[in-house]
Amino acid sequence: DAGVIQSPRHEVTEMGQEVTLRCKPISGHNSLFWYRQTMMRGLELLIYFNNNVPIDDSGMPEDRFSAKMPNASFSTLKIQPSEPRDSAVYFCASRPQGEDYGYTFGSGTRLTVV
Amino acid sequence: GENVEQHPSTLSVQEGDSAVIKCTYSDSASNYFPWYKQELGKRPQLIIDIRSNVGEKKDQRIAVTLNKTAKHFSLHITETQPEDSAVYFCAASRTDSWGKLQFGAGTQVVVTP
Repeated sequence: DAGVIQSPRHEVTEMGQEVTLRCKPISGHNSLFWYRQTMMRGLELLIYFNNNVPIDDSGMPEDRFSAKMPNASFSTLKIQPSEPRDSAVYFCASRPQGEDYGYTFGSGTRLTVV
Repeated sequence: GENVEQHPSTLSVQEGDSAVIKCTYSDSASNYFPWYKQELGKRPQLIIDIRSNVGEKKDQRIAVTLNKTAKHFSLHITETQPEDSAVYFCAASRTDSWGKLQFGAGTQVVVTP
């Protein structure tokens, strides 16, 4: 099992550019979560999906952020346009169906907007 | 919604001593409490978890205790080693929340030789 796979690992972009982060969950996991981690705010839940359907996107900070999960093996988080305050580590995590299972996190994407 | 508070924010211990991290939660319906360890520059990794029908769980040098009445749970690390140095996060979730975890703010543990 390759675990949760995120790409790219690092992204440096200029303010105003579009950024797309990608995630492949563990096969068979049916819940997928996008988190943002910063020193100031810790781990913030942005959005999560169950069986490819968005359940709660109340954590998405602004309309500049959007996320999709077109199938069970792929999800994207897009920021358009990006701003310097979006700089953070973005983690994707997945978990299997059923009660009481913790997440498996991906390695994260470190985003720097200059 | 659920709110999880974690203390202390930093913890420095001598190698070989014990470390204790405490968390409180607000939602009495929460029933699953995992702990994650995050080393510098790496992903959070699940190290131990406890469910609401259990009061204590051990795995080698780590243990977690849960007091549902008081709505708090703790992580205990015995015989600490330098490789235990990391940030530790507690979290809580409830059955009807699709597995959504609410994380504490984290505890930076530094084990000095």
